[in-house]
Amino acid sequence: AQKITQTQPGMFVQEKEAVTLDCTYDTSDPSYGLFWYKQPSSGEMIFLIYQGSYDQQNATEGRYSLNFQKARKSANLVISASQLGDSAMYFCAMREGGGNNDMRFGAGTRLTVKP
Amino acid sequence: NAGVTQTPKFRVLKTGQSMTLLCAQDMNHEYMYWYRQDPGMGLRLIHYSVGEGTTAKGEVPDGYNVSRLKKQNFLLGLESAAPSQTSVYFCASSTDRNYNSPLHFGNGTRLTVT
Repeated sequence: AQKITQTQPGMFVQEKEAVTLDCTYDTSDPSYGLFWYKQPSSGEMIFLIYQGSYDQQNATEGRYSLNFQKARKSANLVISASQLGDSAMYFCAMREGGGNNDMRFGAGTRLTVKP
Repeated sequence: NAGVTQTPKFRVLKTGQSMTLLCAQDMNHEYMYWYRQDPGMGLRLIHYSVGEGTTAKGEVPDGYNVSRLKKQNFLLGLESAAPSQTSVYFCASSTDRNYNSPLHFGNGTRLTVT
């Protein structure tokens, strides 16, 4: 069964600095996708970035990048030049290619950006 | 650009009462999902639908029923609410169930069962 682990319940970062949010996953399926979502205090779920298991390069979207280490089964989210508006819950999620391809989520990391 | 719309935004029920949450999407997506979010547990899939008239169980289906009579709507019902069903409920949709398809979420419904 697939499993997503986010070991950091809470993280703090100084404004304008970079921060890494950890995510490890477990799957035996060679085809899978990894996703990060942001949930601000207003509650909506915002899709940030995607990485496929066959992608050779790390995904990037603006200030977000995904540090994908396939052998270690980790998919850490890196936010560069943190802004106060980055304060939110962040969820790592995965979908497998075969069988049960429901999107499964980690428990989340609450990021607080300090001025 | 409505996307995925959930109604209501908040609801308070007494134990044993019933209710229905409505989800509507205007993106012509085939696939729709209901998740619940609880502190420390992320989001867990309740039920999903791969098309009009079809539904299937997810990870935590007990105590819930769903219906997809129209492609754009996905209803989540609680027949006899329990305090354990206090949660935030999210509806989502996707173009397909491929592993590279992100989910598009509604803004959530906060349900409290007393």
